[in-house]
Amino acid sequence: NAGVMQNPRHLVRRRGQEARLRCSPMKGHSHVYWYRQLPEEGLKFMVYLQKENIIDESGMPKERFSAEFPKEGPSILRIQQVVRGDSAAYFCASSPPGLAKETQYFGPGTRLLVL
Amino acid sequence: KNEVEQSPQNLTAQEGEFITINCSYSVGISALHWLQQHPGGGIVSLFMLSSGKKKHGRLIATINIQEKHSSLHITASHPRDSAVYICAVSLGSNYQLIWGAGTKLIIKP
Repeated sequence: NAGVMQNPRHLVRRRGQEARLRCSPMKGHSHVYWYRQLPEEGLKFMVYLQKENIIDESGMPKERFSAEFPKEGPSILRIQQVVRGDSAAYFCASSPPGLAKETQYFGPGTRLLVL
Repeated sequence: KNEVEQSPQNLTAQEGEFITINCSYSVGISALHWLQQHPGGGIVSLFMLSSGKKKHGRLIATINIQEKHSSLHITASHPRDSAVYICAVSLGSNYQLIWGAGTKLIIKP
């Protein structure tokens, strides 16, 4: 059973470009969470999604950031018109359906560098 | 004051030593997580526990709910254990984790 997969592992973008980060949850998992880790800081919650639904996006910046988890395919975190401050590690976690929401399994992360 | 406090912030030890990392929290929790983050690498979930003690290989995690305290122990430490160890707690049905600042562990050969 493959773990949570994220790609790309490293992404370099110039200011103003778009960044798309992908997360494939573990098989059978229907909950996906995105976290951001700024340099020298801890992880910050961004968004919690279930299939085709955004459950909680209270940690998402109000502009330029969006997330989706379609019925088929991976979850996508999209950052439009990136700025240098978006440079960070973005981690995805997944958990199985039902009551086990707290058992989060983490992906390896995508390191975004904005030049 | 942070809701989750870890100590020490940094720890350097010799190979073979017994390692203890502590985590204290000030809120009521439903579960506590220990995670490992390697330099430049991803995050690995080591333990999730809500009571008692869990053991996996050379790693042992304990929690005392009354004292709001948890410890992560590493026996017979090895240089490959060098990483940042993070304590995080979840509150009731809140899926959002509250993270500690992490403990940077270096094991010298």
